Amino acid sequence: DQQVKQNSPSLSVQEGRISILNCDYTNSMFDYFLWYKKYPAEGPTFLISISSIKDKNEDGRFTVFLNKSAKHLSLHIVPSQPGDSAVYFCAASAGGKLIFGQGTELSVKP
Amino acid sequence: KAGVTQTPRYLIKTRGQQVTLSCSPISGHRSVSWYQQTPGQGLQFLFEYFSETQRNKGNFPGRFSGRQFSNSRSEMNVSTLELGDSALYLCASSFRSSYNEQFFGPGTRLTVL
Repeated sequence: DQQVKQNSPSLSVQEGRISILNCDYTNSMFDYFLWYKKYPAEGPTFLISISSIKDKNEDGRFTVFLNKSAKHLSLHIVPSQPGDSAVYFCAASAGGKLIFGQGTELSVKP
Repeated sequence: KAGVTQTPRYLIKTRGQQVTLSCSPISGHRSVSWYQQTPGQGLQFLFEYFSETQRNKGNFPGRFSGRQFSNSRSEMNVSTLELGDSALYLCASSFRSSYNEQFFGPGTRLTVL
């Protein structure tokens, strides 16, 4: 039972445009959501997070939106840069246990 | 401050063997979590240790076990290896148990032949 789903395995975006990565979840008990970025041969790196009591969190070029009624969160990257090319994982937390999605590979073309 | 380190980085084993992976957390971090990453499955939580005690456990068979030492270093053991155990095993540390933001090591790539 996949409680956190990233339905797009890959996404290709032109440099300077917006990248939108999506994530759906099924467990309404999740109280905290995170995005991680992963380069090949490295472990995931924390990017941005949002508490379930908020609907938006912004950090520089990265913004996470949370729609609790739809059980959906998204990560917006504006403007996208070639260095953003990586695999992005969303994760949800309940009781300290992180449940990850399958990841979306973002490719930003120059 | 040094990051999370994992040894070895790469490992090749055959079916039926057992393997032990090691993780050294960031200095001062007392919580260590282990994850398995396979293509199409994302990262799946194995277990979390805090102050030498297992705090949380994922849905993996008993062949997967772990422990944590008094210096917070952790080991993960997989016995009777199966082909499906081939994966990237990641450990992550955090300052306290159930803390949301975890810092990951580079992982150990295990291949079972």
